[in-house]
Amino acid sequence: ETGVTQSPTHLIKTRGQQVTLRCSSQSGHNTVSWYQQALGQGPQFIFQYYREEENGRGNFPPRFSGLQFPNYSSELNVNALELDDSALYLCASSYGSLGTGNTIYFGEGSWLTVV
Amino acid sequence: QKEVEQNSGPLSVPEGAIASLNCTYSDRGSQSFFWYRQYSGKSPELIMFIYSNGDKEDGRFTAQLNKASQYVSLLIRDSQPSDSATYLCAVNHQAGTALIFGKGTTLSVSS
Repeated sequence: ETGVTQSPTHLIKTRGQQVTLRCSSQSGHNTVSWYQQALGQGPQFIFQYYREEENGRGNFPPRFSGLQFPNYSSELNVNALELDDSALYLCASSYGSLGTGNTIYFGEGSWLTVV
Repeated sequence: QKEVEQNSGPLSVPEGAIASLNCTYSDRGSQSFFWYRQYSGKSPELIMFIYSNGDKEDGRFTAQLNKASQYVSLLIRDSQPSDSATYLCAVNHQAGTALIFGKGTTLSVSS
């Protein structure tokens, strides 16, 4: 158990719809990152939030957006869902940015299927 | 384009053998290196991280880093069937914000 909790665990959406995924970070962790893992691929970095501000973004379109709340929990929102958005969405928390001796711990993930 | 390369496998080893998993990376500025284990249908689980050249041991696992060759490896001694999983190599990118993952190597340990 990493202390990072995500919800929902599984969901099915229709193309064009919008989805919100939620994440509670490990106690004491002020940084939340989101990753997308398609089948057979490694996780891909979507973005990171630190103290409620976006602190880095990967190669994902603007329809992927997020929020971090004062209690460091976070949301990932995806608008205008496409079939290729079907994936495992992983939330990870850490205390501060990665560096020597610091690492991130993943939650159990949210499986999104777009039909 | 920052890349992390792994042999997709599958790598098959008998129970009790040493499994050797390899990873190369393209960004010379990378600072930290991570190995995650992922069972089918589950999220990645951190096994080890390393940031200095050389070896780092933790139980049956040894991570090896060679920054000059841009190469990191994971050795699993006395492999067990429960070690059968996909192993993901990840490298710190963007001055501490992101991890860049390889596609993973599938390990199969036969009893």
